[in-house]
Amino acid sequence: GEDVEQSLFLSVREGDSSVINCTYTDSSSTYLYWYKQEPGAGLQLLTYIFSNMDMKQDQRLTVLLNKKDKHLSLRIADTQTGDSAIYFCAERLQTGANNLFFGTGTRLTVIP
Amino acid sequence: AAGVIQSPRHLIKEKRETATLKCYPIPRHDTVYWYQQGPGQDPQFLISFYEKMQSDKGSIPDRFSAQQFSDYHSELNMSSLELGDSALYFCASSGTGTGVFYEQYFGPGTRLTVT
Repeated sequence: GEDVEQSLFLSVREGDSSVINCTYTDSSSTYLYWYKQEPGAGLQLLTYIFSNMDMKQDQRLTVLLNKKDKHLSLRIADTQTGDSAIYFCAERLQTGANNLFFGTGTRLTVIP
Repeated sequence: AAGVIQSPRHLIKEKRETATLKCYPIPRHDTVYWYQQGPGQDPQFLISFYEKMQSDKGSIPDRFSAQQFSDYHSELNMSSLELGDSALYFCASSGTGTGVFYEQYFGPGTRLTVT
């Protein structure tokens, strides 16, 4: 299947910026997403970017897309303890299927 | 705003039993997706329905079946349960008529434990 890779863990201090990275292999991705999952909870759609965009900003969240390198990142400014969660990137392909392929997830720990 | 509803939230079954999971999509959403998330894993796509017809199929075992009803709710039927079926099962929905068909919203999940 499609390979979407993320680093497993990230720790940051409260107030610092967090950068979560994701690489994907399928160049036919149309939309790329970031979801947040808190322990025992569902997947919350945080933001997404269309593949013809380079950047999208939404309050504390900034998404950067480097299509040439197939690299996606999520920057969280002024990280708070409530941001501690697992963050999944996901891609939607152009092949007609509308389902999402998820990355392995990055567990973000915010240290007070 | 209304979200995706899943029931039950928790389910305990024994091996070889059957289970039925239900999903109620966001109002006006016509597409439903089912995903399975094993412990410590990323969600894996199982199957999806658009306007009550199966639209895509992923890694769904033959022991599982699903359907979407006229009110757009969906049910995932799982038979001959195995220990390895223990997982979180998510339903997601999106709406082709909403203008943002690419936004896929997830329910809280059903945690299935097979003993």
